[in-house]
Amino acid sequence: KAGVTQTPRYLIKTRGQQVTLSCSPISGHRSVSWYQQTPGQGLQFLFEYFSETQRNKGNFPGRFSGRQFSNSRSEMNVSTLELGDSALYLCASSPGDSYNQPQHFGDGTRLSIL
Amino acid sequence: TQLLEQSPQFLSIQEGENLTVYCNSSSVFSSLQWYRQEPGEGPVLLVTVVTGGEVKKLKRLTFQFGDARKDSSLHITAAQPGDTGLYLCAGIDASNYKLTFGKGTLLTVNP
Repeated sequence: KAGVTQTPRYLIKTRGQQVTLSCSPISGHRSVSWYQQTPGQGLQFLFEYFSETQRNKGNFPGRFSGRQFSNSRSEMNVSTLELGDSALYLCASSPGDSYNQPQHFGDGTRLSIL
Repeated sequence: TQLLEQSPQFLSIQEGENLTVYCNSSSVFSSLQWYRQEPGEGPVLLVTVVTGGEVKKLKRLTFQFGDARKDSSLHITAAQPGDTGLYLCAGIDASNYKLTFGKGTLLTVNP
């Protein structure tokens, strides 16, 4: 069974640009969550999509947005990039119909802002 | 906002030693999960604990969920270099399916 796939693995952007990250969940999983991981703040929750609807949202500014398609694939967009957006962005999928299910993580996209 | 505090933040030990890492909160969680993350990879689930006072064992790893479901601990017996990694706890709120992660304990086991 294929795992969670995130593309691209590495990305370098400059301040002010925008970026789109992609996540393909495990087949059959309807929930996709996005996290930002930095050494100082740890793993911070961005948002969760379930069956194409945003079900949960973290405390990030509106520059961070996402969407989920009918095949459960998800994209995350960050506009007007800032230096502080440099981080590892992780997505995780789960079936989503029960709260105790494990989150299956991808290996992340490493975003560097110059 | 629910917060999870993990301690210690860093831990470096020799192969064969025992260790315990902690995950504490002032909030009650429906359940709690422990993950391990290795460099260049995403976190991988180790265990889910659901019932207050629950103890689960996974080979040399023992996980305990506090009676009040506000805290948890992970004990590793006879640590090995392969145990090296970032250990993350995550509390789950059943009312909204939301996970809150601690900042993690970075464990290094030296041969």
